[in-house]
Amino acid sequence: KAGVTQTPRYLIKTRGQQVTLSCSPISGHRSVSWYQQTPGQGLQFLFEYFSETQRNKGNFPGRFSGRQFSNSRSEMNVSTLELGDSALYLCASSDGQGSSPLHFGNGTRLTVT
Amino acid sequence: KNEVEQSPQNLTAQEGEFITINCSYSVGISALHWLQQHPGGGIVSLFMLSSGKKKHGRLIATINIQEKHSSLHITASHPRDSAVYICADIPQGGSEKLVFGKGTKLTVNP
Repeated sequence: KAGVTQTPRYLIKTRGQQVTLSCSPISGHRSVSWYQQTPGQGLQFLFEYFSETQRNKGNFPGRFSGRQFSNSRSEMNVSTLELGDSALYLCASSDGQGSSPLHFGNGTRLTVT
Repeated sequence: KNEVEQSPQNLTAQEGEFITINCSYSVGISALHWLQQHPGGGIVSLFMLSSGKKKHGRLIATINIQEKHSSLHITASHPRDSAVYICADIPQGGSEKLVFGKGTKLTVNP
């Protein structure tokens, strides 16, 4: 069974631009959650999608958004990039049924210059 | 406010030693994850537990719901165990909305 795939692995953008990151979950998984990891704040929850609906949202500004498609693939978008958005962005998939194991992708490392 | 505290922040051990990493949380939870992150960023889920104890190979995770505390133990540690270990809780009713500890960086020397 293929694991969680995130693309791209690395991305360099300039301030003010926008970026879209992609996450393909494990086949059969209906929940995709997104996380930001920075040296200062550690790992933080961004949002979770289940069956194309946002089920939970963390404390991030509206510049951070996401969506999930009917095949459970998910994208997250960050608009008007700021230097502080430089981070490792991770997604994880699960079957979404209560407390089920999470399977993480390898992440997308975003650098904003 | 839900807070997750880990200790120690850094841990250096000699190969073969018994390792314990602690995690405390402040609110009622539905489950707690232990995660392992190697250099390069990839995260592996080691355990998810809501009560009692789980064992996988040399790794053991325990949780005490009343005391809001969990521990991760590594027996007969090996240099390949060197990684950052992160605990994360799922508040009750919180679906997949994890709250993470800051992580414990473990270095096991040969």
